[in-house]
Amino acid sequence: QITLKESGPTLVRPTQSLTLTCDFSGFSLRDNGVGVGWVRQTPGKAPEWLALIFWDGDSRYSPSLQDRLTITKDTAKNQVVLTMTYMDPVDTARYYCTHIYSSYWYWGQGTLVTVSS
Amino acid sequence: DVQMTQSPSSLSASVGDRVTITCRASQTLNNYLNWYQQKPGQAPKLLIFAASTLEGGVPSRFSGSGSGTDFSLTISNLQPEDFATYYCQQTYRTPITFGQGTRLEIK
Repeated sequence: QITLKESGPTLVRPTQSLTLTCDFSGFSLRDNGVGVGWVRQTPGKAPEWLALIFWDGDSRYSPSLQDRLTITKDTAKNQVVLTMTYMDPVDTARYYCTHIYSSYWYWGQGTLVTVSS
Repeated sequence: DVQMTQSPSSLSASVGDRVTITCRASQTLNNYLNWYQQKPGQAPKLLIFAASTLEGGVPSRFSGSGSGTDFSLTISNLQPEDFATYYCQQTYRTPITFGQGTRLEIK
């Protein structure tokens, strides 16, 4: 059974960096073809993809945010970390971690991040 | 970027109805197309992946079809728990992109 749990600060000040951790079980980032991604969503809006990383270390980023994002993996700990710099109030959203295998995406429950002074 | 045009943006229907939501991509997707259901306060739930494969545990009244650039989600015999927002997602190319959503409301 696949589970993903996002964690990180609930409140971030403008211009600060955000670090989110995804702890997962039920799959391994050692397995060929497996990836983990991050998606965010604000109420009433469609989800917005942020980044993903594959078992072989290949990482991809949203072009509009790539200068602010870094995604890393710790295969031994079953963890993926997303860092976003220069947070702004418009970055207030629920952030989701997702398991990826080919076209199959399975989502965690998300964590709400508010950016406010 | 692959643009996903989802329609309609909202839809009113009654219990027992059959409804269809469509998604058109700006490029061919090689069937890397997913459908999600989202209820208020919940994470998106995967219904259909690879255009037509039903996720485990999803009722058979949900079905997906299409190929190339045109895809659809059909819900037969609508049940009260089906009233929600639905999104399509292409996972063929990065950046991964989503449709704008279809809000399915009770008539």
